[in-house]
This record gives sequence, structure tokens and C-alpha cells, in this order.
Amino acid sequence: DIQMTQSPSSLSAFPGDRVTITCRASQGISVSVAWYQQKPGKAPKLLINAASTLQSGVPSRFSGRKSETVFTLTINSLQPEDVATYYCQNYFSVPLTFGGGTRVDIK
Amino acid sequence: QLQLQESGPGLVKPSETLSLTCSVSGGSITTRSFYWAWIRQPPGKGLEWIGSVFYTGTSYYNPSLKSRVTISLDTSKNQFSLRLNSVTAADTAVYYCAREVINNPRGWFDPWGQGTLVSVS
Repeated sequence: DIQMTQSPSSLSAFPGDRVTITCRASQGISVSVAWYQQKPGKAPKLLINAASTLQSGVPSRFSGRKSETVFTLTINSLQPEDVATYYCQNYFSVPLTFGGGTRVDIK
Repeated sequence: QLQLQESGPGLVKPSETLSLTCSVSGGSITTRSFYWAWIRQPPGKGLEWIGSVFYTGTSYYNPSLKSRVTISLDTSKNQFSLRLNSVTAADTAVYYCAREVINNPRGWFDPWGQGTLVSVS
């Protein structure tokens, strides 16, 4: 199974800060990573697929990047509405696996 | 736009079978570009893929649950279903259904249903 090690598990930042979340895959998985945002009590929402392709309607302050087996989600200029838990997902092979999640709060 | 809605009992007894249905509206589950998936999330924890089914009926399961899981389609009702046998308290979770967008060979989940909490007690 491909493990997705996500860090940090939580973070707190000021409005306007740049926030970076990392997922490290246990082996090479091409660009087969998606990122989701989950607000409390809600279903996850797809933000990014193919490591860096932003979904329609997602604010441009969100971006994704891949460097070898390390995938990053960056939020430029954190907004109060970005408070949520973020998950990465591997879709390179079965079983499809998720990172452990990163909870993002506002200071 | 495509919408998914989970339904089923919110409480299941230990050792019994958990059964949930996902009703799909705004699109057909016989579309070749997608799988139809179940994902769960124990309270306060992360996401776990349970399995996915293709319109042909071919299914793929998480090996950790494979011996207890069946996912099936009802194309006449545009629904797909989850059955999980021999449940324990560890199966207590919010269960989501979702569309898996196929991208050589597997894909991402979009959209998701709102989720339904199933407690085993």
C-alpha cells in the first residue's frame, strides 16, 4: 500500500499568512494526488487534482505542487473561511489512501 | 449538477450487517468515466476508502475490509449500495458516497454525498 504522510497535523496562522501543508508518498506516484478541504460537519470538497490542477470555483490563493514524492498544498493569504481540515489522497493505485489530515485554524 | 444522497439505518447492532444506499441524481451511474465509491470517517478521525464499483459491476475494495464488504449497483434506480458484514464498534463512522473520476487508472472523488452517521451499538 502507498502511505501518504501528511504534516503538520495542525497549524494556526494569522489572516493573510501563507500556509503550506505537505504530503510525502511512500513511493513514486506520478502526479496522482488530490487535495480536499473539509469544514466541520461537512463532506470533503475537492480542491486540486493531478497534484496542481485547481478545480473550477476554487479561489486562486490555493495551489498545489509536486517535487519527487513530496506534494504540497499552499494557501496564499489565509482567509477566515479557510478554517478547515485538509487531506491529500493518492489515486495512483489501489488501495486509494488519504493522508492523516491537517487542521488549519486562524490566530 | 450531480448530487449524491446516502440513506440507511443510523444504528446497527454488533455482529450484524450495515447496509447503506446512495441515490444519484443529475447524472447516470452507467457513465463509463466514473467509479462509484464509499468512504468512511470515524468520529474525529481521518478518511478511509472502502471500495468502488464500475457500471459493469466490477468492484474494488480496500484489502483491510475486503472480506466483509460488498458494493453493488442498481442501474434501474440509479443507486449503488454498501453492505458491511459482522460490524463492531470500530465500524462506527460517517459513511460517504462519492463519484470517483477515473484518471488512468484510478481517480479522485467529486462530488461527495453529505454523509450519514452509522453507530454500532
